[in-house]
Amino acid sequence: EAGVAQSPRYKIIEKRQSVAFWCNPISGHATLYWYQQILGQGPKLLIQFQNNGVVDDSQLPKDRFSAERLKGVDSTLKIQPAKLEDSAVYLCASSLSSTYEQYFGPGTRLTVT
Amino acid sequence: GENVEQHPSTLSVQEGDSAVIKCTYSDSASNYFPWYKQELGKRPQLIIDIRSNVGEKKDQRIAVTLNKTAKHFSLHITETQPEDSAVYFCAASPYNNNDMRFGAGTRLTVKP
Repeated sequence: EAGVAQSPRYKIIEKRQSVAFWCNPISGHATLYWYQQILGQGPKLLIQFQNNGVVDDSQLPKDRFSAERLKGVDSTLKIQPAKLEDSAVYLCASSLSSTYEQYFGPGTRLTVT
Repeated sequence: GENVEQHPSTLSVQEGDSAVIKCTYSDSASNYFPWYKQELGKRPQLIIDIRSNVGEKKDQRIAVTLNKTAKHFSLHITETQPEDSAVYFCAASPYNNNDMRFGAGTRLTVKP
């Protein structure tokens, strides 16, 4: 089966600019996750969707980060405005439901200068 | 919320030796504990997981043990091989894959 797709793979922006990441989960996967992985750290859950509803966004910095999954399939994560500390790999993952294994995408490496 | 601590941060072993990575968690409600392997520049991949109703689980050279009373769980890799070299992350969740919290990772190096 095709894996989780993410784009772009790399992005370099200046601080205070905006950026958006896109994720297409594995077909049929109802649950979608966005993680932030700062170099040398474990992934940090930003937001979890079940179909098009938000299950958990307690660690999402809502003053600058937003995410949507309007049709319950693909999803976008936006940062506006970006800060230097947002430099990280943004990983998208999906699972059939929350009871099943998460499959990670290749990630988007964001560098904020 | 849940806090997961992982030790050691780096681990170097000789090929054929065993490797043990330990994690502790803070939320007694956590009931799902997966382990992920992440090779350099690649995505995390699930290698084994355990639920709170089980004390130990084994899959070939990999095993995980869970002590709910002490709130810690460990990954054991036996007969290590150079291809086991990677960063390993533990994680804990109060319900299946919901609200997953990851440890900081252990960089394992297996020397041939």
